[in-house]
Amino acid sequence: EAQVTQNPRYLITVTGKKLTVTCSQNMNHEYMSWYRQDPGLGLRQIYYSMNVEVTDKGDVPEGYKVSRKEKRNFPLILESPSPNQTSLYFCASSFRGEPPHYNEQFFGPGTRLTVL
Amino acid sequence: RKEVEQDPGPFNVPEGATVAFNCTYSNSASQSFFWYRQDCRKEPKLLMSVYSSGNEDGRFTAQLNRASQYISLLIRDSKLSDSATYLCVVNSMDTGRRALTFGSGTRLQVQP
Repeated sequence: EAQVTQNPRYLITVTGKKLTVTCSQNMNHEYMSWYRQDPGLGLRQIYYSMNVEVTDKGDVPEGYKVSRKEKRNFPLILESPSPNQTSLYFCASSFRGEPPHYNEQFFGPGTRLTVL
Repeated sequence: RKEVEQDPGPFNVPEGATVAFNCTYSNSASQSFFWYRQDCRKEPKLLMSVYSSGNEDGRFTAQLNRASQYISLLIRDSKLSDSATYLCVVNSMDTGRRALTFGSGTRLQVQP
């Protein structure tokens, strides 16, 4: 089954304790992206990757890191989580497409993170 | 001003009603437009792309007005299962970053 998976689905942690949220897709997509969703603010992009070893900042990259060592995986790293990073996080992937056209993005099920 | 703006709703409509959502976007250079659907606490899923000539998929019709920079979604004969949040999505061209910008969503509640 074609899908995007994220782990963990739920996480409660404390300020300053490093964590990683994994994202994996099995559709051979070049493009992967991380979003956070907060009430009233919609989905905001954190980081994205156009292909292996190519990553770039989105709208709200502060406090986050990513890596893209393999095509299928795009982990999100919070080196020192803070309470303002409490949010619902989504990973998404798509075929790259040629500008100005964009392809459908497939989303993972989401990770609900609470930082105390 | 937000890049993509939507009326947050909620729109409460009876089954069988026709309901329309509008969305405005600020970037006149945007080229790609979508409507995504998001059920409560679930991931967004593509409902339909929006093409310049307008397009229809069953009970759903999407329209694009480039001159006024707005996109619309019309749902006919609403079903209980249509209850969800509808996200307007536009490609962002800011600083050459290839990304999609999501509106905050319009919540629809279809009542029996």
